Amino acid sequence: EDQVTQSPEALRLQEGESSSLNCSYTVSGLRGLFWYRQDPGKGPEFLFTLYSAGEEKEKERLKATLTKKESFLHITAPKPEDSATYLCAVQGSGGSQGNLIFGKGTKLSVKP
Amino acid sequence: EAEVAQSPRYKITEKSQAVAFWCDPISGHATLYWYRQILGQGPELLVQFQDESVVDDSQLPKDRFSAERLKGVDSTLKIQPAELGDSAMYLCASSHWGVGTQYFGPGTRLTVL
Repeated sequence: EDQVTQSPEALRLQEGESSSLNCSYTVSGLRGLFWYRQDPGKGPEFLFTLYSAGEEKEKERLKATLTKKESFLHITAPKPEDSATYLCAVQGSGGSQGNLIFGKGTKLSVKP
Repeated sequence: EAEVAQSPRYKITEKSQAVAFWCDPISGHATLYWYRQILGQGPELLVQFQDESVVDDSQLPKDRFSAERLKGVDSTLKIQPAELGDSAMYLCASSHWGVGTQYFGPGTRLTVL
């Protein structure tokens, strides 16, 4: 059974304090690993797609990396506007193609 | 920038009433998904359409939920009758094809009293 575990559940940072969010996964045939940002009361906003181990992608202060068992979302010098819940999801080749299996998310708070 | 549209944004209803949610995917996206997200959890798939056909509805509670995408464009998700446990955020997403990046709409927050 495909599964995604995110840690920590919540993370409090001071502005400028860099850190990383973890996404551990088990999946039968990884088609893609996805990172989304979700603000309270809104739908998830797409950030990155990673397809194979060793792949990295960057966007402003965010950098996502992928290994065969986990993905990290590195946040460099975060700002208060980076505060949100970050969701990780995997898409596998087994079962229903296209179905995203999500973790519970990491709630990030960045204090000025 | 093309976006997934959903309406209404908020819905409050009483137990045993019927509710319906509407979704208009990004133009040209053949695949449409309905997810349900309970507070503090990640979204969970309810139903997946490829054009007008249902690809996966294995997690849809079919005794009370129904979904359709008659012309392969916009879609409606219905709950009848609503139960207290249905209170959640209902999210619609679309993608070009069955695999690849899914783009989400703003969601409909349902509260059942």
